[in-house]
Amino acid sequence: DAGVTQSPTHLIKTRGQHVTLRCSPISGHKSVSWYQQVLGQGPQFIFQYYEKEERGRGNFPDRFSARQFPNYSSELNVNALLLGDSALYLCASSLGDRVHEQYFGPGTRLTVT
Amino acid sequence: DAKTTQPNSMESNEEEPVHLPCNHSTISGTDYIHWYRQLPSQGPEYVIHGLTSNVNNRMASLAIAEDRKSSTLILHRATLRDAAVYYCIHDNYGQNFVFGPGTRLSVLP
Repeated sequence: DAGVTQSPTHLIKTRGQHVTLRCSPISGHKSVSWYQQVLGQGPQFIFQYYEKEERGRGNFPDRFSARQFPNYSSELNVNALLLGDSALYLCASSLGDRVHEQYFGPGTRLTVT
Repeated sequence: DAKTTQPNSMESNEEEPVHLPCNHSTISGTDYIHWYRQLPSQGPEYVIHGLTSNVNNRMASLAIAEDRKSSTLILHRATLRDAAVYYCIHDNYGQNFVFGPGTRLSVLP
């Protein structure tokens, strides 16, 4: 069975640009969460979606947005990129709305120059 | 934010048990305790979770204090592949799923 997949693997953007990251959950999982991990730190929670509805939002500016599609895949959008947005963006899926037993993808490495 | 306190680092010898402690004094009655680990250059990996009772699975055991303000992740026989950063989190519905700095576990051959 396929695990959580994310695309692209790596991305280089310029300050002020916009980026869209994509995530496909494990088949049957209806919840997707997004995390940002800066080098040397633990992942920081950005969003959780369940059944296409936002269920949780971390302490991130409105430049960050996300959505979940009817097939439970998800997109994370970041507008007006800043240098500080450079990080590994992780997607995790879980079965239900309670975030138990999350399975993480390999992440998208975003570099903002 | 839901906060936990863990030692920065720990060391273990291969094939010996490892007890990784975590303090979560602000835990609420309905928060679950979760443990994840992250190997170098990989996304976090689910290890175990529990609410009140001790839990066992194929990877580890989770011992939860009676007052639930602390827990211990037990790896029964450490292997070199267990070297990772171990994160302890307490949360209910995911809105406060805060990964702290974690404990970096080194396993010595």
